[in-house]
Amino acid sequence: KQEVTQIPAALSVPEGENLVLNCSFTDSAIYNLQWFRQDPGKGLTSLLLIQSSQREQTSGRLNASLDKSSGRSTLYIAASQPGDSATYLCAVSPNTGTASKLTFGTGTRLQVTL
Amino acid sequence: DAGVIQSPRHEVTEMGQEVTLRCKPISGHNSLFWYRQTMMRGLELLIYFNNNVPIDDSGMPEDRFSAKMPNASFSTLKIQPSEPRDSAVYFCASSLGGPRFEAFFGQGTRLTVV
Repeated sequence: KQEVTQIPAALSVPEGENLVLNCSFTDSAIYNLQWFRQDPGKGLTSLLLIQSSQREQTSGRLNASLDKSSGRSTLYIAASQPGDSATYLCAVSPNTGTASKLTFGTGTRLQVTL
Repeated sequence: DAGVIQSPRHEVTEMGQEVTLRCKPISGHNSLFWYRQTMMRGLELLIYFNNNVPIDDSGMPEDRFSAKMPNASFSTLKIQPSEPRDSAVYFCASSLGGPRFEAFFGQGTRLTVV
């Protein structure tokens, strides 16, 4: 059974710092990995999707990397802003089946302070 | 497109009552997912549909839960009878199908069973 772990569980940084969120998964037979953002009381917003054949994806100040063989992914946020404060979730889909059946990590709660 | 639309946003009901949650996926998406989020267990997949057909319902906790997708633009998740331990946020998500495509989530329904 796939298990996804995120470290740290919570993180507080001052505005302007660069930071890294970590995600690990136990079964490397994944098709893709997706990073989401969740604001309090809100739904999930997809940030980046990395196919298993890719090493990284970038969107603005966000960069996600994937090392499938070691079961790890990182989300790098450059020049953090208070608006980045949210819970960040990673999720993986299996290398079987016909649909994105996601297994989620427990999330990292990020707070960016002024 | 308005995105994935869920209703109601909040539901408070008494134990033993029937609860119906509704979801309208993004037009053109042929895969639909129901997830449940709790503090203890995080986000868990309950069931997913592909082309309106239930593919995997192994995450449905027990017979009190049922889900239907009568057409491509509507799905329901029903709990009968409801219990306090069913209190959670229920998310619906849709995608174009196939693991290459990212999942888009609705805002969720916060269910409280008293």
